[in-house]
Amino acid sequence: DAMVIQNPRYQVTQFGKPVTLSCSQTLNHNVMYWYQQKSSQAPKLLFHYYDKDFNNEADTPDNFQSRRPNTSFCFLDIRSPGLGDAAMYLCATTPAGIGGYTFGSGTRLTVV
Amino acid sequence: AQSVSQHNHHVILSEAASLELGCNYSYGGTVNLFWYVQYPGQHLQLLLKYFSGDPLVKGIKGFEAEFIKSKFSFNLRKPSVQWSDTAEYFCAVIPSGGSYIPTFGRGTSLIVHP
Repeated sequence: DAMVIQNPRYQVTQFGKPVTLSCSQTLNHNVMYWYQQKSSQAPKLLFHYYDKDFNNEADTPDNFQSRRPNTSFCFLDIRSPGLGDAAMYLCATTPAGIGGYTFGSGTRLTVV
Repeated sequence: AQSVSQHNHHVILSEAASLELGCNYSYGGTVNLFWYVQYPGQHLQLLLKYFSGDPLVKGIKGFEAEFIKSKFSFNLRKPSVQWSDTAEYFCAVIPSGGSYIPTFGRGTSLIVHP
């Protein structure tokens, strides 16, 4: 089935140690998003790609970077994770234009 | 910028009770509206969406929502909840006319007791 796949489901990293989360999609959607979701809070948009065009939210810390080498893959790099970065990270896609978003299952990041 | 308010943060019901979750948005123009559900340990799934037309929208699993433009509301309803409806529910808004970035509400945690 076409879907959005996030790996890994659970990631434990050390304080300050770079970590990369991955997202792949078989939907051929133009737009890919990364959200951060903390407990009992709404998903917070970090950035998104429209094709290769990268769009950073104004309040996304510099510690967070993203790469989209092709249509199917998108990566979230956290250069120096802090304790406050522990959260669920959600990848989502949508075709160009308005539509329902397809979310991946998320990666739960723990920082120790 | 638009915002979305979900006033009920936690709702606890018994099975067969009726459900209504509030969603209000602030935006002066035309909007597209969504409800998502997140079951424990799972990803966000689309329940229903409103783009235009009949303001009463029916979604999956017996859910429906009514868009009331004058009240800037898009409340989610279900006449009789089940234990399996226990989940987090998120309302989202996208302004019409080119935007594709949703604004999510904070979410409502629903617990249904068997």
